[in-house]
Amino acid sequence: DAGITQSPRHKVTETGTPVTLRCHQTENHRYMYWYRQDPGHGLRLIHYSYGVKDTDKGEVSDGYSVSRSKTEDFLLTLESATSSQTSVYFCAITPGGEQYFGPGTRLTVT
Amino acid sequence: AQSVSQHNHHVILSEAASLELGCNYSYGGTVNLFWYVQYPGQHLQLLLKYFSGDPLVKGIKGFEAEFIKSKFSFNLRKPSVQWSDTAEYFCAVKWGTASKLTFGTGTRLQVTL
Repeated sequence: DAGITQSPRHKVTETGTPVTLRCHQTENHRYMYWYRQDPGHGLRLIHYSYGVKDTDKGEVSDGYSVSRSKTEDFLLTLESATSSQTSVYFCAITPGGEQYFGPGTRLTVT
Repeated sequence: AQSVSQHNHHVILSEAASLELGCNYSYGGTVNLFWYVQYPGQHLQLLLKYFSGDPLVKGIKGFEAEFIKSKFSFNLRKPSVQWSDTAEYFCAVKWGTASKLTFGTGTRLQVTL
């Protein structure tokens, strides 16, 4: 196990509400990533971080923001959730070139 | 733009059949290549990886993959599949010194008894 946890694991929220997902690692890795997984699209990168307070956009960053104030935590925020953001969200770290994934958060926006 | 293609979206095999899943990537120089597996309801797990050296890479659970540079391909193989191999398989590529992976859209493998 790569020492990654995600919280919450499941969440149902209403359109227009803010939502924050948390990724926590225990291994002090520099890089952390947020992906969303949707049928027919595979995994798509939302944002990633290469250090505390250092983040960059991925291919599907619109509607999402991130923050990393500590090495171990990488937060993903949906400022105003929309139904198109219903998805499974995975966090990942990169210990040595390959990426290891957390257990995922299933988010449903009604 | 750099891209990864998995042309087989859904594959159905009987147990003991041989498996080959295709993965092609767009040209972009030096690459690191990965195959991940996702069992139903679980997160992605690394099956195998290629960074350099022998282009035939062996991974866990009897899987292997061959990097063919001239064809920009990294196909996944297994001589004899088991029912427990039912899962979704993702190919991923890292170009050069990039810190990001690009994933294919996945191939759903269903193994019947």
